[in-house]
Amino acid sequence: DAGITQSPRHKVTETGTPVTLRCHQTENHRYMYWYRQDPGHGLRLIHYSYGVKDTDKGEVSDGYSVSRSKTEDFLLTLESATSSQTSVYFCAISESWDNEQFFGPGTRLTVL
Amino acid sequence: KNEVEQSPQNLTAQEGEFITINCSYSVGISALHWLQQHPGGGIVSLFMLSSGKKKHGRLIATINIQEKHSSLHITASHPRDSAVYICAVQTYNTDKLIFGTGTRLQVFP
Repeated sequence: DAGITQSPRHKVTETGTPVTLRCHQTENHRYMYWYRQDPGHGLRLIHYSYGVKDTDKGEVSDGYSVSRSKTEDFLLTLESATSSQTSVYFCAISESWDNEQFFGPGTRLTVL
Repeated sequence: KNEVEQSPQNLTAQEGEFITINCSYSVGISALHWLQQHPGGGIVSLFMLSSGKKKHGRLIATINIQEKHSSLHITASHPRDSAVYICAVQTYNTDKLIFGTGTRLQVFP
């Protein structure tokens, strides 16, 4: 299995609080992605990174920011969490844009 | 209309049956992915293909680029195959995948 971890694995927070999710890889892959998974929707891309300090938006980026200061870590921040951001968040990595993606175990976030 | 459609949405089978899950897409692609997600579990990449057919154990994936269609077959299904199977496409010259909503498969002993 690709070495990808996510932390925390579960989090319950209140509306309006900031939340940071962490994705850590040991594969030295260039690309890292943050997705959210909700019932009735396919996985949807929030943000992705194609290198250190290089990031771009996905289709559902509003309310989220990301940072990548090291190859191995990709952080997703909800500046002020809302109930609509209750979801399961998956991180993924790939060697290049046209390679298969390997997924982390997911983080279940509940915003009350 | 979603750019990636999967059918059926739900599928039940008896152990040993041959199973087919379909994926149709409406955009030009450079590759198609099949993924597996067990209940409460993570997501595993099964196949990435851009033409023809690939086989891994009891799983076979095919793609017809002209018809914009792919199928995932499971031979001699087993209860441990119970999972959600997800199709995703990589559009030309982009870094991003577009995902289908998944097919939930339950295989009963």
